[in-house]
Amino acid sequence: DGGITQSPKYLFRKEGQNVTLSCEQNLNHDAMYWYRQDPGQGLRLIYYSQIVNDFQKGDIAEGYSVSREKKESFPLTVTSAQKNPTAFYLCASSMVGGAGTEAFFGQGTRLTVV
Amino acid sequence: KNQVEQSPQSLIILEGKNCTLQCNYTVSPFSNLRWYKQDTGRGPVSLTIMTFSENTKSNGRYTATLDADTKQSSLHITASQLSDSASYICVVSANRFGGYNKLIFGAGTRLAVHP
Repeated sequence: DGGITQSPKYLFRKEGQNVTLSCEQNLNHDAMYWYRQDPGQGLRLIYYSQIVNDFQKGDIAEGYSVSREKKESFPLTVTSAQKNPTAFYLCASSMVGGAGTEAFFGQGTRLTVV
Repeated sequence: KNQVEQSPQSLIILEGKNCTLQCNYTVSPFSNLRWYKQDTGRGPVSLTIMTFSENTKSNGRYTATLDADTKQSSLHITASQLSDSASYICVVSANRFGGYNKLIFGAGTRLAVHP
């Protein structure tokens, strides 16, 4: 099936640890995005990538890092520098450009600091 | 500042009733407006997408409207079902040079449909 897959669904992190969230898509989309969702707030953009080997910071990039070595994959690392990492993380992908371009979302990863 | 505001924050209706959710935005330059449905603990799923020239679009029991002059959109749900219980998110796309459309998300309206 075509789609966008995030793993794991639930992730627990100890204080001071780095953790990596996986995002894979087989939709042949050029653009991929990472968002953070906190209760009562809209999704906020962490990083985005429009092409392999290139990515840009979003609105809340501090404490996060990404890579885009393959078109299909856009992993997000939550580093120990992120002071409040507990949240729901969503990955999305889309074609680049066009007024009707639609973003498709994964099922999300819930990260909890223990 | 680009913003998307939704109202109400939450809404409870009885099964079979209709409801309307509101979205006001201040986003420039405007590219398109989308409504997503997000079940608890899941990723958002697209319901409708409208560009500047479209003022209404339907998807089954969901009908979205767009007034680009007043920068308002609404999502009307007809004959609600228990499975409509979810958060409904309004997302406005700001067109950027180079093809990247920045998405600005509203905080969502949490709808609960009771039997």
